[in-house]
Amino acid sequence: KNQVEQSPQSLIILEGKNCTLQCNYTVSPFSNLRWYKQDTGRGPVSLTIMTFSENTKSNGRYTATLDADTKQSSLHITASQLSDSASYICVVSARSGGGADGLTFGKGTHLIIQP
Amino acid sequence: DAGVIQSPRHEVTEMGQEVTLRCKPISGHNSLFWYRQTMMRGLELLIYFNNNVPIDDSGMPEDRFSAKMPNASFSTLKIQPSEPRDSAVYFCASSSRGGYGYTFGSGTRLTVV
Repeated sequence: KNQVEQSPQSLIILEGKNCTLQCNYTVSPFSNLRWYKQDTGRGPVSLTIMTFSENTKSNGRYTATLDADTKQSSLHITASQLSDSASYICVVSARSGGGADGLTFGKGTHLIIQP
Repeated sequence: DAGVIQSPRHEVTEMGQEVTLRCKPISGHNSLFWYRQTMMRGLELLIYFNNNVPIDDSGMPEDRFSAKMPNASFSTLKIQPSEPRDSAVYFCASSSRGGYGYTFGSGTRLTVV
């Protein structure tokens, strides 16, 4: 069964600090992995999408890494800001192009940035 | 583009009443998806359409749930009769061919009392 596990479930850090969120998956055949940011009361917004051949991708202060051999991904946030407080969801696609029937969602990491 | 537009943003209804959630996908997107999100289960796919045709509705929890897409620019998710356990945030998303441009709406928070 395809699964995506995220850790930690929740995380509190001080503003300005860095943090790393983890995503482990057992989705096959792998197509791509996405990280989404979901602000409270809003829909998820895509941060990065990585295919099998990519092992790192950045979007501003967000850097995602992918190890397709160990089936692990991480999302690193540098110099955190209060606006980074949100849930971060890892989504893995098992079909090229990511049709919905191939998407497996993690339950997310709830990140709180304290001033 | 205004993105995926959902209405209403919030809905409070009494148990047993009919509830209709609405979604307008991004123009040009040919796939539309309905999700339900709860704290316990996270995001769950309910149903998705390709070119207005329902492709997979295996995620629809019960016969009380139904979804339609009468044209490329509009979809509804209906719950009849509603129950308290249906309380959740319902998201609509759309994408173009192959899943590109996958975009979520802002969601409808449904509370059934």
